[in-house]
Amino acid sequence: GAVVSQHPSRVICKSGTSVKIECRSLDFQATTMFWYRQFPKKSLMLMATSNEGSKATYEQGVEKDKFLINHASLTLSTLTVTSAHPEDSSFYICSASDTGESNQPQHFGDGTRLSIL
Amino acid sequence: KQEVTQIPAALSVPEGENLVLNCSFTDSAIYNLQWFRQDPGKGLTSLLLIQSSQREQTSGRLNASLDKSSGRSTLYIAASQPGDSATYLCAVATGANSKLTFGKGITLSVRP
Repeated sequence: GAVVSQHPSRVICKSGTSVKIECRSLDFQATTMFWYRQFPKKSLMLMATSNEGSKATYEQGVEKDKFLINHASLTLSTLTVTSAHPEDSSFYICSASDTGESNQPQHFGDGTRLSIL
Repeated sequence: KQEVTQIPAALSVPEGENLVLNCSFTDSAIYNLQWFRQDPGKGLTSLLLIQSSQREQTSGRLNASLDKSSGRSTLYIAASQPGDSATYLCAVATGANSKLTFGKGITLSVRP
């Protein structure tokens, strides 16, 4: 089955550090990937839609300069949290579906737990 | 704006019981509906996908139904096991390869 790999699984760093999270589709191609953020006991909130070869589409209220997204290939999207602060601490999850197949489910990575001290 | 609701937020049942998890959505113009499982601190595992033209999907002990006109879906779990303990999320898509709108999930605990 389709596998999405997300790395790293956990990051602990000091305030002001920039953190890059990778999302890879291992056995399929994805022109579109999605980045979500999840707060404790809350649902997943879509942050942005990552489009291969073009700019990402951000949801209302999400700072594009804060959360930089790059989707340079059909199998890799990266999310960079720039100058992270404690309020950016959260669980970040990416998802993708197989571009070559219609009506396919979204497959999710295992998430990245980001803790900013 | 699409809104997805899952009630109750938590459920505890004894092992072996059959159970139903409910999901409702406000906009019936959906492309598909997906049920996921999430274990603590982990990502999401896709359980079942129902296209808008379908009424139900089955996988093992799981059966998901969809009533698009009334904006409802149910996830039926037969003969529940302690290993089924997790949070179950319902999500709807409004277009092909489209972003998902999630409910807050139902945290299920199956007691041995």
